[in-house]
Amino acid sequence: KAGVTQTPRYLIKTRGQQVTLSCSPISGHRSVSWYQQTPGQGLQFLFEYFSETQRNKGNFPGRFSGRQFSNSRSEMNVSTLELGDSALYLCASSPAGGRNGELFFGEGSRLTVL
Amino acid sequence: SQQGEEDPQALSIQEGENATMNCSYKTSINNLQWYRQNSGRGLVHLILIRSNEREKHSGRLRVTLDTSKKSSSLLITASRAADTASYFCATDPNTGANSKLTFGKGITLSVRP
Repeated sequence: KAGVTQTPRYLIKTRGQQVTLSCSPISGHRSVSWYQQTPGQGLQFLFEYFSETQRNKGNFPGRFSGRQFSNSRSEMNVSTLELGDSALYLCASSPAGGRNGELFFGEGSRLTVL
Repeated sequence: SQQGEEDPQALSIQEGENATMNCSYKTSINNLQWYRQNSGRGLVHLILIRSNEREKHSGRLRVTLDTSKKSSSLLITASRAADTASYFCATDPNTGANSKLTFGKGITLSVRP
């Protein structure tokens, strides 16, 4: 089985721009979670989607949004980028969510905001 | 805020030695998981221990869970240079909410050849 695929792996944006990150989960997995990882804050939960519905949301401003498609692929969007949004964004999939077992992570999308 | 707090923040040992890492958490949990991350890469699941379990083994890994002290430990025996990575504990709080694993800030393990 192919693992979790995140694209793009690296990207550079400037303040005020917006960015869309994509995540293709493992085939058959219906839950997709997104995390932001920074040296200062560690891994912070952004949101989780299950069967196209946002099931849980972390404490991030409304500039951070996401969605999930019928094939379970997910995208997250960050609008009006700020310097502090520079981070490694990690996507993780699971059959039903972390509550019932492990999360399978992608390699991440490293965003640099200049 | 992080639910899990790992200790120590950094650990440096010689190849062949054992590495012990600790995690403390604040609220009741359904399960606790340990993950590993190589520099700049995604996280890889190592082991999951449920709240009604006290100890679990997987290869060179041994995890213990003490729910009365709200703590867990991860022991890596006979460490290898390839074990050099960051290790995270993640807790699934028993809040009735849906999936939301909460990670600690991690422990950086360096294994010297």
